[in-house]
Amino acid sequence: RKEVEQDPGPFNVPEGATVAFNCTYSNSASQSFFWYRQDCRKEPKLLMSVYSSGNEDGRFTAQLNRASQYISLLIRDSKLSDSATYLCVVIERGTYKYIFGTGTRLKVLA
Amino acid sequence: GAVVSQHPSRVICKSGTSVKIECRSLDFQATTMFWYRQFPKKSLMLMATSNEGSKATYEQGVEKDKFLINHASLTLSTLTVTSAHPEDSSFYICSARVQLTNYGYTFGSGTRLTVV
Repeated sequence: RKEVEQDPGPFNVPEGATVAFNCTYSNSASQSFFWYRQDCRKEPKLLMSVYSSGNEDGRFTAQLNRASQYISLLIRDSKLSDSATYLCVVIERGTYKYIFGTGTRLKVLA
Repeated sequence: GAVVSQHPSRVICKSGTSVKIECRSLDFQATTMFWYRQFPKKSLMLMATSNEGSKATYEQGVEKDKFLINHASLTLSTLTVTSAHPEDSSFYICSARVQLTNYGYTFGSGTRLTVV
């Protein structure tokens, strides 16, 4: 089983739709969680950190479920510019190493 | 703030030659940097952790003699791909941890290496 798993997609959604991605992690000692966005042939860019209490940034909402070991990302009112690959990232307790999920591709269609 | 500069952005080299990729933290000191490689439509795979003033820590399966990492200062880490082969062609990305923050790591813009 992979340490961090995501549905690779692609998720094809119309503009204005709401879309949700999940990411599961296998190590219960994981302590920090992030969502990154990566555009084709570019470096990943931090979208948001994920906190136990959940957090929201504009159209984006991230949640963490430690009991079930998954994090989620919800995108409301999808824009064409949201088309990208969304990477789930986990840092295990006691290390500084990022463990990347396989990424979920999103295509927002006009 | 927290900018990481990586270059070259793209390099084409002949088989058997060596290629050096540089990663610089421009406005902060990075005691730890990380090197990843990414194949098309795949996720980023950590290759090694680069620590200033000490030897790099390589992930399992990564050849340390092939991928030489040097972190001689608090703002510069280099990855040298030695005796490159076509299968080394990939996207290489560095990242740095910004001390005393929980804002995630900052990534360089990546280097696309093509070995012909």
